[in-house]
Amino acid sequence: GENVEQHPSTLSVQEGDSAVIKCTYSDSASNYFPWYKQELGKRPQLIIDIRSNVGEKKDQRIAVTLNKTAKHFSLHITETQPEDSAVYFCAASKTGNQFYFGTGTSLTVIP
Amino acid sequence: NAGVTQTPKFRILKIGQSMTLQCTQDMNHNYMYWYRQDPGMGLKLIYYSVGAGITDKGEVPNGYNVSRSTTEDFPLRLELAAPSQTSVYFCASSYPQTGELFFGEGSRLTVL
Repeated sequence: GENVEQHPSTLSVQEGDSAVIKCTYSDSASNYFPWYKQELGKRPQLIIDIRSNVGEKKDQRIAVTLNKTAKHFSLHITETQPEDSAVYFCAASKTGNQFYFGTGTSLTVIP
Repeated sequence: NAGVTQTPKFRILKIGQSMTLQCTQDMNHNYMYWYRQDPGMGLKLIYYSVGAGITDKGEVPNGYNVSRSTTEDFPLRLELAAPSQTSVYFCASSYPQTGELFFGEGSRLTVL
């Protein structure tokens, strides 16, 4: 099956700085890559996703890039704010009904 | 819309007991899933279903069973609970076309 690795496991940044989280995947057939944000004690929620026919996608302060050749994708958060503090999970899917998740990155934004 | 609703939110089981985690969604989603979340391990897929009457194993199905008799409901059965099943369980659903997973609030299960 697919193997998704995520780094770093923890990340601390000063408010206003940028944060980057990286994921690699093993199955070249994977074609859908979502990112989920999970606040403490809450359910994961989708924040952005990208499909394999696109190299980059932006939504305000959040962007995701995909390098299919290297089989890695990254989440970029600019102008970080304290409310960005959460655990972020990447995932990969090739079938649309099985999602393989990374182990999560705990992001802390220091005011 | 209530979205995805899971019950119970918390449960303590003794080793060897059985229980069912209930999950229902009101979004008419075809796909439904059960994940478990352990600290530092991300989300692991237990079982999933692409429609009523159809279920399939995920990454970690041992010790669990599911059924999908209706589009709305996808209960997860734990037989002979073991300490290794102590975890937070999330039910989720999605449209096949969009891929976005909608999660329930989670059920924290402790097996002692």
